[in-house]
Amino acid sequence: DGGITQSPKYLFRKEGQNVTLSCEQNLNHDAMYWYRQDPGQGLRLIYYSQIVNDFQKGDIAEGYSVSREKKESFPLTVTSAQKNPTAFYLCASSLGRTGLAYEQYFGPGTRLTVT
Amino acid sequence: QKEVEQNSGPLSVPEGAIASLNCTYSDRGSQSFFWYRQYSGKSPELIMSIYSNGDKEDGRFTAQLNKASQYVSLLIRDSQPSDSATYLCAVNYPGGFKTIFGAGTRLFVKA
Repeated sequence: DGGITQSPKYLFRKEGQNVTLSCEQNLNHDAMYWYRQDPGQGLRLIYYSQIVNDFQKGDIAEGYSVSREKKESFPLTVTSAQKNPTAFYLCASSLGRTGLAYEQYFGPGTRLTVT
Repeated sequence: QKEVEQNSGPLSVPEGAIASLNCTYSDRGSQSFFWYRQYSGKSPELIMSIYSNGDKEDGRFTAQLNKASQYVSLLIRDSQPSDSATYLCAVNYPGGFKTIFGAGTRLFVKA
């Protein structure tokens, strides 16, 4: 089955620890994205990548880092510098070409709780 | 500041009725528009995309786009309790891959 997987589904960490969220896709999509969603709010873009070995900051990149070493994988690290890391994190991908380039498909999400 | 505005709701409709969800956006250059459905605790699911002015129908769903008014809407015909969810409007802005999401409208369909 083609799709996007995120792991783990739930993650608990102590304040001051870095944590890495996994995102893998087998849709052969070029573009991948990370969003954060807080209760009752819309999605806010953290980082996005249009192609392997390239990525751009979104609207709320401070305290986060990413890498894009493989087309299939786009891991997100939440660092200790992120002041309010507790949130629902969503990974998405899109074809990244013309026409249907911007239709994004989401993974199931990772719910991170930092105490 | 690029914005996508939605009425947060909740919008409550009886089963079998038409639910009408609305969205406005700020950038006149926008060319790609999307509606996502998000059940509580789950990730968003793409249900409609629309790229040109007018109506686009897919089953019980109709997306409507009016670029002159910077307005996009989603109609759900014959609403079912299973349609109860938050509906997110999303707009892709020209010049890049960034998509701006609205905060969503909560829809309740009463049996």
